[in-house]
Order: sequence, then C-alpha cells, then structure tokens
Amino acid sequence: DIQMTQSPSSLSASIGDRVTISCRASQTISLYLNWYQQKPGKAPTLLIYTASSLLSGVPSRFSGSGSGTDFTLTISSLQPDDFATYYCQQTYSPPRTFGQGTRVEIK
Amino acid sequence: QMQLHESGPGLVKPSETLSLTCSVSGGAVTSYSWSWIRQPPGKGLEWIGYIDYSGNTNYNPPFNSRVTMSVDTSKNHLSLTLKSLTAADTAVYYCARDRPKWEGDACDIWGQGTMVIVSS
Repeated sequence: DIQMTQSPSSLSASIGDRVTISCRASQTISLYLNWYQQKPGKAPTLLIYTASSLLSGVPSRFSGSGSGTDFTLTISSLQPDDFATYYCQQTYSPPRTFGQGTRVEIK
Repeated sequence: QMQLHESGPGLVKPSETLSLTCSVSGGAVTSYSWSWIRQPPGKGLEWIGYIDYSGNTNYNPPFNSRVTMSVDTSKNHLSLTLKSLTAADTAVYYCARDRPKWEGDACDIWGQGTMVIVSS
C-alpha cells in the first residue's frame, strides 16, 4: 500500500495568514493526489484533484502543487470558513489511501 | 445536482452483518464509479473500496473477506455489506461519487454519512 504522510498534524493560524500543508507519498503517485476539507460533523468536500486542479466553485485562495511524491496545499489568505481538517488522498493505485489529516485551528 | 443519501440500521451487534444503502438522485448510478469510505469517531478517513459503472469492484485488503459492494440499477442505489462486525467497525460510513480517472478518481460528491455503532 502507498502510505500518505501529512505535515503538520495540526497548526494554528490567524485570519489572513498564508497556510501550507504538505503531503508525502511513500512512492511516486504522478499527479494522482486529491485534497479534501472536512468540518466537524460534516462529510468531506473536494477542493483539488490531480494535484493542482481546483474544483469548480472552490475559492481561488486554495491551490495545490507538486508531483511524484511531494505535494502541497496552500491557502493564500486564511478565512474564517477555512478552519477545518484537511486530508490528502492518493488515487494512483488501490487502496486509495488518505493522509492522517491536518487540523487548522484559530490562533 | 446529484445528491447521495446513505441509510442503515444505526446499531448492529458484534458478529452480525451490516447492510447500508446509498440512494442516488439527480443522475444515473450506472454513469459513474462510486467509493465507500468510513471514519471512526475522532479519527481519519479510511477507504473501503469502489465499484465502477460495470459492477467491477476493488476492495481495500483489510476488508476483502468481509465486504461486498453492489449496484441496483432498478432502484438507482448502491449497497455495501460488511460481515462479522466488531467494535472496530464503529464509524460514520460515506458513499461518494468518483470523478473519471483522468480527473484523479477524486470523490466530488459525498453523502451526509450514516453512523454505525457496533455494540451488544
């Protein structure tokens, strides 16, 4: 199985901060990396697919980059609605594993 | 807009079999591939497996011997069956629609989730 490791596990940030979350795969996954946001008690929602494609309707402050084994989710200017847990997922090969999640909290 | 809605028993006894349904509205179940994902309380997401539009399945190995996924085209819904339940199967279970492979097989539409508690 491909292991996905996110860092940090949690972070505290202020409104307007630039936030970056890293996701590393245990082997190359090309561009088959997706990012999700999950708020407490809610289902996850897709933000970015194939590493850098922004899902229609997702604010442009979210962006994704990377290829191979190292990927990044960036929030350019953190907004109140962005406090949540973020997960990466590889879909290069089954099982389609998720990272352990990164919790973004208010500083 | 497509919507998904999971339903299930809520409470199941250890060693019993779980049956969940995911009703699909706003689109045909045969037009897409579908994933099942679960989330134990306070923990992260775990991919259970997927079923494609042809009925082909791929299960996460830890579930291989216990899980069955199917599609009912007459009712336009998906089904998940998980046998030999233990307390470790307590989780919120989600169904989700997969985008095509060239769009990363990403889960772009999710149901609201259904909580399953395994307890005697």
